[in-house]
Amino acid sequence: GDSVTQMEGPVTLSEEAFLTINCTYTATGYPSLFWYVQYPGEGLQLLLKATKADDKGSNKGFEATYRKETTSFHLEKGSVQVSDSAVYFCALSGTGANNLFFGTGTRLTVIP
Amino acid sequence: ETGVTQTPRHLVMGMTNKKSLKCEQHLGHNAMYWYKQSAKKPLELMFVYSLEERVENNSVPSRFSPECPNSSHLFLHLHTLQPEDSALYLCASSQDGTGRDEKLFFGSGTQLSVL
Repeated sequence: GDSVTQMEGPVTLSEEAFLTINCTYTATGYPSLFWYVQYPGEGLQLLLKATKADDKGSNKGFEATYRKETTSFHLEKGSVQVSDSAVYFCALSGTGANNLFFGTGTRLTVIP
Repeated sequence: ETGVTQTPRHLVMGMTNKKSLKCEQHLGHNAMYWYKQSAKKPLELMFVYSLEERVENNSVPSRFSPECPNSSHLFLHLHTLQPEDSALYLCASSQDGTGRDEKLFFGSGTQLSVL
C-alpha cells in the first residue's frame, strides 16, 4: 500500500546551518506529495506541496523536489533559524479521496 | 490560528471513564477528520466525515465513537479506553474531502492520558 518513510531524528542544528530531512515514498500511480510542519503546542500546517514529477514546492525558504526516479521528496533549507524548530511531516495523497498518508515526523531543534 | 479549535487541550481519564473531545471549525469546510498522533508512529487517520456523513473508518476500535452533528462540529466520544490509547488527538478540516490535493487545516490537538 501507499506509505512514506522519513528520517527519524531528532535533528539538532546550529542557526544558519543547512537542513535536509529525507523522505521517500511508496505509491501506486502518481501521488501528490506534501510537507506539513507542527510548531510546539500547535496543530500541523501545510508547508509546501508538489503534485507531479519534477515539481518543486517552496515556502518560507524551504524547498522540496518531487523525484519520481528516486521516489523521494527531501526537504531542504539553506540556512535554518531558531524559529524553524518544529516537527516536520512528509505526506502523500494517493489516487483516492480522503487518503493522506503521513510519515512519523522528524523533530528539528535549532540552537542559537 | 488555523480556524480549527479543539477542546480540551489536555485530558486525563481512567479506563472506566466516559469523556468527549470536541472540535469546531470556522472555515466553512465540508469535511472533518480525526487523527491520532503517537510517538514514533505515522499519523493515523481514524475517521473522515464529508457533509456530515462518515465516509471512512479505518478499523478503529468501538471504544472510540465519532459524532458529526453539522459541518462545523465534530466530536470523539471515548469510553473504556486502554493506556495504549494515550496520544495526541488531532482534528482537521478541508474544503470538501474529495480532492487529493486538498489542504488540511489542523487544530492544536487534545493530549489524552489514560491511567
